[in-house]
Amino acid sequence: ETGVTQTPRHLVMGMTNKKSLKCEQHLGHNAMYWYKQSAKKPLELMFVYSLEERVENNSVPSRFSPECPNSSHLFLHLHTLQPEDSALYLCASSQEVQSIYGYTFGSGTRLTVV
Amino acid sequence: QKEVEQNSGPLSVPEGAIASLNCTYSDRVSQSFFWYRQYSGKSPELIMSIYSNGDKEDGRFTAQLNKASQYVSLLIRDSQPSDSATYLCAVNGLGGATNKLIFGTGTLLAVQP
Repeated sequence: ETGVTQTPRHLVMGMTNKKSLKCEQHLGHNAMYWYKQSAKKPLELMFVYSLEERVENNSVPSRFSPECPNSSHLFLHLHTLQPEDSALYLCASSQEVQSIYGYTFGSGTRLTVV
Repeated sequence: QKEVEQNSGPLSVPEGAIASLNCTYSDRVSQSFFWYRQYSGKSPELIMSIYSNGDKEDGRFTAQLNKASQYVSLLIRDSQPSDSATYLCAVNGLGGATNKLIFGTGTLLAVQP
C-alpha cells in the first residue's frame, strides 16, 4: 500500500448513471490531485487541490465534478459520461502543491463507460 | 512540441543487460525530474528522483540529468524480468499556482529471460 487508497478499483457505468470515485491519503500531505490515464497518452492532470481549495482545473468537462471536504479526502463525481471517458483514474498526493518532490499515487479506478 | 518526450518502445533487453531509458523535456526552468515504474494494470510507483546535473545511483538504478541538453535518462543494470514495466518520465513544470508534474507517455521495457 502506498498510503493513498482509491475506491472502487473497477467501475462500469452507463452514460446516464451518476457515480463517485473516492480517494483517501494517510500521509499527512496537503495537496491532492486527480489524473486521467488513457491508452497511448500521457497522464493528464485534471484537478489540483491544496488544503481543500481547488487551485487548478485543466479544462475538464463539467461532467466531472471534484470535491475535497478535507485535506485527506478527495472525490470525483461522475455524471452523464461518454464512452471516451473510459480510462484509469488516478489520485495522487504530495506534501505541498509547490513541492519539488514527486507524487504518491493510489492504485487507481479502472472506469468503463458503456 | 510535446513537453516531455519518451520513446514508447517496446525496449527489449536480455536478462542481465543494461537497459537505457531516455527522456527529453521542453521547459528549460524545470528543476525536479522523476522516474516512475508502472506495471500493467497498476499505478505508477516513484523509483528515482534527481534535481542536479550528473548521475544519481540507487542500487541497480542510475538516473542521469543534463539540464543544458534538457535530457534525463534512467539506466537499469543487471536487468531482471521483474523490471519489465512501463517507465514514466516526469518533470516538475513551473507556472500557474502549482509546480505540477508533467508526464511523458512512457517507455515499455521488456526484459527477456
